Amino acid sequence: GAVVSQHPSWVICKSGTSVKIECRSLDFQATTMFWYRQFPKQSLMLMATSNEGSKATYEQGVEKDKFLINHASLTLSTLTVTSAHPEDSSFYICSARDPPGSRLSDTQYFGPGTRLTVL
Amino acid sequence: ILNVEQSPQSLHVQEGDSTNFTCSFPSSNFYALHWYRWETAKSPEALFVMTLNGDEKKKGRISATLNTKEGYSYLYIKGSQPEDSATYLCAFQSGANNLFFGTGTRLTVIP
Repeated sequence: GAVVSQHPSWVICKSGTSVKIECRSLDFQATTMFWYRQFPKQSLMLMATSNEGSKATYEQGVEKDKFLINHASLTLSTLTVTSAHPEDSSFYICSARDPPGSRLSDTQYFGPGTRLTVL
Repeated sequence: ILNVEQSPQSLHVQEGDSTNFTCSFPSSNFYALHWYRWETAKSPEALFVMTLNGDEKKKGRISATLNTKEGYSYLYIKGSQPEDSATYLCAFQSGANNLFFGTGTRLTVIP
């Protein structure tokens, strides 16, 4: 149980285009999903917290108009990198948490990540 | 941004050897400490969530201890096997949401 998928696993795009990444919880409902990114030799850094049916909460320094997050259902959150530039090239990974009150409520289950390369 | 440090950055051990790594984190505002095992091209796998000072958790040959007062956690692997080769991440949680990750310890077990 507690499987999270992410699609695509890698993407290469031209500068100025937009890229959408999907994160799905396959066997549980996730009221809260998280988006992280990892630059080379650095740690996973939280970008934003996505709550189903409400606006995402962005971490300091993350542009909400550039990284659009939609969490329209309990099993799907999407991250759209708008007008991507080479400096947005990174590894993006999502996680999902079981609803509060369950035994697993403090565990975040991760997808396998998406490698974005912007040319 | 909270400082979470893991050491060593990488290590190689012979099959059958036991090993351990360290995660250091702030000793204030502690909520939980998470350990993950991350194999290349796969999802990070949750190993332990530790919440109480003095906690010890075990999963097969892998165990972890927690000291919240001094801000460290140890992960132990007994009798390492090649399939244990992975990056081991720890993450400090100071509230209901945010996880602050270390950069990981990359373990290679040599057959």
